[in-house]
Amino acid sequence: QSVLTQPPSVSGAPGQRVTISCTGGSSNIGAGYDVHWYQQLPGTAPKLLIFGNINRPSGVPDRFSGSKSGTSASLAITGLQAEDEADYYCQSYDNSLSGWMFGGGTKLTVL
Amino acid sequence: EAQLVESGGGLVQSGGSLRLSCAASGFTFSSYWMSWVRQAPGKGLEWVANIKQDGSDKYYVDSVKGRFTISRDNAKNSLYLQMNSLRAEDTAVYYCARRVVGATKGGYFDYWGQGTLVTVSS
Repeated sequence: QSVLTQPPSVSGAPGQRVTISCTGGSSNIGAGYDVHWYQQLPGTAPKLLIFGNINRPSGVPDRFSGSKSGTSASLAITGLQAEDEADYYCQSYDNSLSGWMFGGGTKLTVL
Repeated sequence: EAQLVESGGGLVQSGGSLRLSCAASGFTFSSYWMSWVRQAPGKGLEWVANIKQDGSDKYYVDSVKGRFTISRDNAKNSLYLQMNSLRAEDTAVYYCARRVVGATKGGYFDYWGQGTLVTVSS
């Protein structure tokens, strides 16, 4: 059981907007540690999607955006495309466990 | 662009040992923290270990402390993970990842290798 909680699955139709939540606590997100998001397409390695809560690496479309508030963070994907179908993971640091933690992952299905 | 290529995975019996390697290219290897992250079959990501640029600081997830050792050779642009006393629950794809610190609080992993599969049979 991860200290960062994500919904196991979300879905949306092409063109729609979906959000994926990442809920932590006072020893990780609530302690001010930044949240980062990764996209893992089927059968491939994870890829950095959002870093520092809101920043997109070069090459990541602006359809992807991140936010953080209190002990939670969210990833929003607008204009859903079939190629967005993947697993998404949030990540932060936990000072109670002294480790770099990932959420359990959310499987996005594009209907 | 940065590239990371892992090798050394395979099938090993419970209690056995294995050494993973990660060859880095396309960036100044000695300037970055490096990490290992694993993913059990059908499961999520789990951070395993970090090592500082000069190898002087190392951190491990509790479940591998005392059994796994992370190391690096900056002259060879290579990262290693020595895994001893392997258990069935260590079965996973092991990814080498470059860790970025300083720009954010806590750090993140900006480049990942393709992974190498370690299977521990009981």
